Amino acid sequence: GAVVSQHPSWVICKSGTSVKIECRSLDFQATTMFWYRQFPKQSLMLMATSNEGSKATYEQGVEKDKFLINHASLTLSTLTVTSAHPEDSSFYICSARHLGAGSYNEQFFGPGTRLTVL
Amino acid sequence: AQSVSQHNHHVILSEAASLELGCNYSYGGTVNLFWYVQYPGQHLQLLLKYFSGDPLVKGIKGFEAEFIKSKFSFNLRKPSVQWSDTAEYFCAPRSGANNLFFGTGTRLTVIP
Repeated sequence: GAVVSQHPSWVICKSGTSVKIECRSLDFQATTMFWYRQFPKQSLMLMATSNEGSKATYEQGVEKDKFLINHASLTLSTLTVTSAHPEDSSFYICSARHLGAGSYNEQFFGPGTRLTVL
Repeated sequence: AQSVSQHNHHVILSEAASLELGCNYSYGGTVNLFWYVQYPGQHLQLLLKYFSGDPLVKGIKGFEAEFIKSKFSFNLRKPSVQWSDTAEYFCAPRSGANNLFFGTGTRLTVIP
């Protein structure tokens, strides 16, 4: 099956710093990537959808200037948490949609990145 | 507005017991339905999906789900659970080419 990787798997940073998380589709081209946030013992909340070569579409309530998303190629999307604060601590998960014949646009998920802001 | 409801927040079963996790959705038009599983410390994995055709779909690891259009339901079932099925289960409808919309999840704990 299609594989999506994320790097880093976990990161600890100081308040006020910025953190970049990478999401890669390893064996397929993903024209659309999604970024989710998962709080402990809660569901995944979609933060934004990014299409390769265009600006991301953010969900209501998600600050686009704080969570910068870049989808520069068909295999890479990045999420940068700018000026991170402790309340940004969470589990961030990316997902990539595979557009291929017969794939029915299935989404594949990365392993997630745990961000802890001190 | 789209919504999905997973009624059971935490289910505790003994091994070999039968499982049914409820999922009800609210969507207009054509809907695709997915169940994902998240094992402890692991990423989301697709259990099964429904797009069209036979409303009873079979997934991996002995799981199945039945799409009942009249009830807007897509309940997940397994006849006999194992300890290794302990995980978080998410129902996720999708309307057309839109994004997946995740339910709140159901934590399953299987006692050996």
